[in-house]
Amino acid sequence: DTGVSQDPRHKITKRGQNVTFRCDPISEHNRLYWYRQTLGQGPEFLTYFQNEAQLEKSRLLSDRFSAERPKGSFSTLEIQRTEQGDSAMYLCASSLEGTLGAFFGQGTRLTVV
Amino acid sequence: GESVGLHLPTLSVQEGDNSIINCAYSNSASDYFIWYKQESGKGPQFIIDIRSNMDKRQGQRVTVLLNKTVKHLSLQIAATQPGDSAVYFCAENPYNFNKFYFGSGTKLNVKP
Repeated sequence: DTGVSQDPRHKITKRGQNVTFRCDPISEHNRLYWYRQTLGQGPEFLTYFQNEAQLEKSRLLSDRFSAERPKGSFSTLEIQRTEQGDSAMYLCASSLEGTLGAFFGQGTRLTVV
Repeated sequence: GESVGLHLPTLSVQEGDNSIINCAYSNSASDYFIWYKQESGKGPQFIIDIRSNMDKRQGQRVTVLLNKTVKHLSLQIAATQPGDSAVYFCAENPYNFNKFYFGSGTKLNVKP
């Protein structure tokens, strides 16, 4: 499968715990996006990387959230001190600079109990 | 923030009929739009896109129409099949290609 890959697919955690998600983009894509989706809503932009540089962050990305893309390939999204309001689907997408279209992974479903 | 809204939250059609899903966008500067299909528990799947210098684009069984005058986008699905049942989102890309704004989606139910 050469699409965007996310791991894990599902994560259940207790409130206050830290969680980390991983995204592997399509191999030649240099742009990577993180989105969050709650039930019945469309995805909301969180942050965006071009290669290893994080170029934009949404105000939705509180201080408890941090994203990295250290080598310009895979990316991680960490949530510290999780809260119940963090429960959502976290989606990763990638695209190639100069081309149109962004392709999404299957997402990581986070449930904070 | 940007607003990409949809006219109908749920659309039910008979198998074999054509479906039309509508979307209104708010930013006249948007120059690129994508329609995504999302099945339950899965990520959004790219269906078709259109740039603002076009008013129509056709794919396999799908057509996207763009009316910039009234900032309206539609997705037409020909001969709707049960496998088309999903939530459909339009996504708007203003200013640049760095991020997309999504609406809340339209759920398409295809009745056999």
